[in-house]
Amino acid sequence: KAGVTQTPRYLIKTRGQQVTLSCSPISGHRSVSWYQQTPGQGLQFLFEYFSETQRNKGNFPGRFSGRQFSNSRSEMNVSTLELGDSALYLCASSHGTGGPGGELFFGEGSRLTVL
Amino acid sequence: QQPVQSPQAVILREGEDAVINCSSSKALYSVHWYRQKHGEAPVFLMILLKGGEQKGHEKISASFNEKKQQSSLYLTASQLSYSGTYFCGTEKGSARQLTFGSGTQLTVLP
Repeated sequence: KAGVTQTPRYLIKTRGQQVTLSCSPISGHRSVSWYQQTPGQGLQFLFEYFSETQRNKGNFPGRFSGRQFSNSRSEMNVSTLELGDSALYLCASSHGTGGPGGELFFGEGSRLTVL
Repeated sequence: QQPVQSPQAVILREGEDAVINCSSSKALYSVHWYRQKHGEAPVFLMILLKGGEQKGHEKISASFNEKKQQSSLYLTASQLSYSGTYFCGTEKGSARQLTFGSGTQLTVLP
């Protein structure tokens, strides 16, 4: 069974640009969550999508957005990049049904550097 | 609110035991434990649910004190492969989102 695939793995952008990151969940998983990981703030929840609907949202500015497609693949977008957006962005998939407590399967992440 | 993990770092010799703690000031539905090795994705270890249910790997044990909103992860007879950063993540209710602690860096030496 293929794992969670994130692309691109590494990217470098400059301030003010925008970026789109992609995540393909494990086949059959309908929930995709996004997390930002930085040395200072640790792992922080961005948002979660289930069946193309945003189900939960973390405490991030509106520059961070996402969407999910009918095949459960998800993208997240960050507009008007700031230096502080440099981070590892992790995608995690799960079945998403049956209430909380489901195991998350993480991808290897997309490492974004903003110059 | 972020759960508090302790210790921040621990160094062990192979075969020794370790306990990692996670506490929250909020009422919890569940506690998750993940391990992340350098440059790799976090990997699921254990979920402890309110009411006592546990799901996870056989060789790892954990406890969840609902009254105190605390969880502990027990690593016994540690192996070199146990090295990594351990994160606890908490869920507060029906919201499907995890709030992670700052992590505990575990190093197992030969």
